[in-house]
Order: sequence, then structure tokens, then C-alpha cells
Amino acid sequence: KAGVTQTPRYLIKTRGQQVTLSCSPISGHRSVSWYQQTPGQGLQFLFEYFSETQRNKGNFPGRFSGRQFSNSRSEMNVSTLELGDSALYLCASSWSLSGANVLTFGAGSRLTVL
Amino acid sequence: GQQLNQSPQSMFIQEGEDVSMNCTSSSIFNTWLWYKQDPGEGPVLLIALYKAGELTSNGRLTAQFGITRKDSFLNISASIPSDVGIYFCAGQLGGFKTIFGAGTRLFVKA
Repeated sequence: KAGVTQTPRYLIKTRGQQVTLSCSPISGHRSVSWYQQTPGQGLQFLFEYFSETQRNKGNFPGRFSGRQFSNSRSEMNVSTLELGDSALYLCASSWSLSGANVLTFGAGSRLTVL
Repeated sequence: GQQLNQSPQSMFIQEGEDVSMNCTSSSIFNTWLWYKQDPGEGPVLLIALYKAGELTSNGRLTAQFGITRKDSFLNISASIPSDVGIYFCAGQLGGFKTIFGAGTRLFVKA
């Protein structure tokens, strides 16, 4: 089974621009979650999609948005970029193991905002 | 909101030593998970715990689900250089939202 694929792996943007990140989950997984990882802050939950519907949302401003397509692929968008948005953005698709929601992560998209 | 306090933030140890790290929360969780992140990769699941008091091993790794359901511990025995990385605890309380700790960065000196 192919793993979770995220594109692009690296990108550099300037303040005020917007960015779109893409995530292809493991085949058959219908849930996709997005996390922001910064040094010292760990993984901060952004949102989770299931069958094209946003099921959970973290505490991020409205500049952060996402969507999921019918093939379960997901995109997240950040508008009006700020320096503090520089981070590793991780996508994970999930499956259920004994009632637990097990996340399988992609390698991430590293965003640098200048 | 729910928060996990993970400690220590970083550890510098000698190869062969045992390692302990823990995670505490003011909220209860139904499931505790431990992940490891290697450089340049996403986190990978190490151990999942489903019941209060549960003790589970995976090779040299042992993790426990605290009796109060508000904490969890991970021990690594006889560390080796490839244990280097960031270890994250994570908690779930039903639903599909997973809360992560800030991570413990482990350095192993050969």
C-alpha cells in the first residue's frame, strides 16, 4: 500500500501570499487530518475531514482552510501568509484499530514565509 | 482546551542507557498513543494503549496508560543510536480528534 503523499515537500512564500498544500491519503482511508508542527509547540491540530465534510476543527484563524474531494484527497489553503505560518504541515489519514483512531502521517510540506 | 504536558523536552543519553518520558493532562483520555518522528519524516505510531492501567511492550519499548486516565509513560530500554528522534504522546477522547504533546527530543551518544 502506498503511504500518505504530500506535495510540495518544500516551498517558500512571502508575506501576504497564499499557499495550497495537497495530501493524498492511503487508498481506502476516508479520514484526513492536518497538523501544524513548529519547534517547541509540537503538533497543533488544524482540521479533520471525512467523506468531504469537515468533522473537527482546531483553534486556527479563518485564514487556514481545507477541503476534501470525493477521492479522499485533501487540500489545505493558507491565505494572507504571515511570518509565523512558517512550519511543517503534516497530513495524516486514519484507520480504526481496536476503537482507536490511528494516524498515518505523510512526510510533510515545509513552508517558509519570508 | 485539552492540552498535554510532555516531559522532558529533550534528553541526552549514552548508548545502552534506559530512557523514560511521560505525558500528563488535566483531561481524561480513552486512548493514549506514542509516536516517533525521525528527521525529515512524519511521526510513526509506536504503541497504542486502550485501557487505564494497561502496560504494553513493543520490543525495547514499554508504555503504560495511567490509572487516572490523565497520564501515560514511555520507557525505552538499552537505547541505541537509531532511537534518536522526537517522541510524541497523543491522547484521544472518543471522536476523531487526536491531541499531541510538544514532544521529547532524544539524543543518543554512541
